[in-house]
Amino acid sequence: QKEVEQNSGPLSVPEGAIASLNCTYSDRGSQSFFWYRQYSGKSPELIMFIYSNGDKEDGRFTAQLNKASQYVSLLIRDSQPSDSATYLCAVNGRGNKLVFGAGTILRVKS
Amino acid sequence: DTGVSQNPRHKITKRGQNVTFRCDPISEHNRLYWYRQTLGQGPEFLTYFQNEAQLEKSRLLSDRFSAERPKGSFSTLEIQRTEQGDSAMYLCASSLAKEGAEPGEQYFGPGTRLTVT
Repeated sequence: QKEVEQNSGPLSVPEGAIASLNCTYSDRGSQSFFWYRQYSGKSPELIMFIYSNGDKEDGRFTAQLNKASQYVSLLIRDSQPSDSATYLCAVNGRGNKLVFGAGTILRVKS
Repeated sequence: DTGVSQNPRHKITKRGQNVTFRCDPISEHNRLYWYRQTLGQGPEFLTYFQNEAQLEKSRLLSDRFSAERPKGSFSTLEIQRTEQGDSAMYLCASSLAKEGAEPGEQYFGPGTRLTVT
């Protein structure tokens, strides 16, 4: 079992819709959770982080954390073509490093 | 705040040659991380520094890899006797975190793309 799992996609949504990206993790001791956006050929860009159970909203983005079920999700409201990218879920692993999933490709169709 | 910078952005080298990459973190950040990313995968942890101390190194990291952060500011990553399997994007990230605490929010540089021929 991988430490951080994501559906590779691609996830296709129409412009203006809500995109829902999911991530599960195996280490129950993890306390910090991050979402990065990565455009093709570019480096990851931090877009959200969440440390407590529940929802955290920032503009069009909402991160949701459920530690009991060991999953993290990212909702993108009013999806735009510019949101088309790979979304990486990252979880703090043993020690102080981040463990990344392989990413979900999101395609927003105009 | 100028962000994390990395040099060079691209490096093409022949198998068996040594290469060195440089990372300049965000100025007030005390932690510096190196990751490697191949196509279709998420970044994979290599090593990290708290100030000038190298606190963790991946067990997957070959002895051909070495990293330094001599004055707690910039860092270098050297790969000796490169192999074709070393071809990847090498990413540097920095964060501001208290010792022993969580990794903090990590911000990535643009990366160095290494191609070994």
